[in-house]
Amino acid sequence: GAGVSQSPSNKVTEKGKDVELRCDPISGHTALYWYRQSLGQGLEFLIYFQGNSAPDKSGLPSDRFSAERTGGSVSTLTIQRTQQEDSAVYLCASSLDGGEGRGGMETQYFGPGTRLLVL
Amino acid sequence: QKEVEQNSGPLSVPEGAIASLNCTYSDRGSQSFFWYRQYSGKSPELIMFIYSNGDKEDGRFTAQLNKASQYVSLLIRDSQPSDSATYLCAGRRGFQKLVFGTGTRLLVSP
Repeated sequence: GAGVSQSPSNKVTEKGKDVELRCDPISGHTALYWYRQSLGQGLEFLIYFQGNSAPDKSGLPSDRFSAERTGGSVSTLTIQRTQQEDSAVYLCASSLDGGEGRGGMETQYFGPGTRLLVL
Repeated sequence: QKEVEQNSGPLSVPEGAIASLNCTYSDRGSQSFFWYRQYSGKSPELIMFIYSNGDKEDGRFTAQLNKASQYVSLLIRDSQPSDSATYLCAGRRGFQKLVFGTGTRLLVSP
């Protein structure tokens, strides 16, 4: 596609329910990133995929959060037993590669985000 | 201490003036730096990146990097009301994640 797409655009759920957020990266981009942005806050890194593997999961806040990527393309972020503090905008970004060959200069392009509200 | 720090603002400038946005970072291993613009309710969009000491110009925008002082800045010349947004500074070490500051809100008044 022309850009990174995410679905759903908005999600309202009840505390304790599980949610799945989807990201479709730009075609051909091997690196995929998930970030979270809480109201009035900067972007917080969650997890990074290179292909289907996740070399860096250091930003996942708890074991309720997990993510997978299949076929080197679509990624799903799953939040189990949601809590009110999980309410945020979840942003996905992709880049051509992880930037290993260019000293980390590969641009990350962001999707429109999924606004999650946990009641 | 946060890895990337920005003044939250708002920074108010009149139309046509130069807006100067500043950012400091603590990780000396950071190799590249990015400026993103984020309009309210929208996702971040890249303005510029810089990885060498000195200035880098692109149209009305100039990014400046001083690795010795661990300081990055973005200058916007001839500011327009449409430049009003939050500007996010981010640092990156190698192929790792972007580490973002909390952003500076810029208001350009007509």
